Amino acid sequence: AQKVTQAQTEISVVEKEDVTLDCVYETRDTTYYLFWYKQPPSGELVFLIRRNSFDEQNEISGRYSWNFQKSTSSFNFTITASQVVDSAVYFCALLSYNTDKLIFGTGTRLQVFP
Amino acid sequence: GAVVSQHPSWVICKSGTSVKIECRSLDFQATTMFWYRQFPKQSLMLMATSNEGSKATYEQGVEKDKFLINHASLTLSTLTVTSAHPEDSSFYICSASPDTEAFFGQGTRLTVV
Repeated sequence: AQKVTQAQTEISVVEKEDVTLDCVYETRDTTYYLFWYKQPPSGELVFLIRRNSFDEQNEISGRYSWNFQKSTSSFNFTITASQVVDSAVYFCALLSYNTDKLIFGTGTRLQVFP
Repeated sequence: GAVVSQHPSWVICKSGTSVKIECRSLDFQATTMFWYRQFPKQSLMLMATSNEGSKATYEQGVEKDKFLINHASLTLSTLTVTSAHPEDSSFYICSASPDTEAFFGQGTRLTVV
C-alpha cells in the first residue's frame, strides 16, 4: 500500500523563523517520485519540487530546501527565514512509477505571522 | 512547464441538476488524466483515472454513475456531477502528466444549493 503521512496538521511561526515540514511515505515500489506542492488560499496547486527514488541528493532553491532520507522514508521540507507570503497549505505527494497515481499527504497548514 | 486548464473555476448549481467540468492539456497530449476532490481543510483524494478512449477507473467508494468521466480526446477530459446534491459541494481538481511530473488545473469550486 502507498501512503504519505504529514504528521503536522498546522504550524505557526513568526516571520524570519526557519520551519521544517515533515513528510514520511510508504511504498513497496523501488521506483517512485516524491513531490511537494503549495496550495495558497486561492486553491491552485503550485509545484515546488520533484525527486525520484534514486536521487537522494538534498536540494536547495532559494529559501527552500529538501532533505530526502530513503533510510527513514522521509522527504522533509525546510523554509528558511519564513515570510508571510509562505502562508499556505503544503502537500507532500508520492507517485508510483507502476500505477501513475499521485497520492497526497493530509497537508500541513503553515501560518507565518508578521 | 506544461499547462493544464480547468473550466469553470467556480460554479453554483441547484440540487438535482448536473454540472460538467472540463480539463484540458494545452500543450501536450494526455492519454491519462486524474480527477481529485478536496473538501475544506482536507487533502486531495483521488476519485478516478480518466483514460483516453476507454472507461475511467474509479477509486473505491466513488460512485461511477454519479461522477461521469469522459476522455474523448488526448487533450480533454470531462467530469460530470450528475443530480448534484449539497454534499457534492467541494473543490474538484484535475491533473495530467506529460512525463512523471503532474500538472494541475486551477480547480473548480462547486457549490450545490
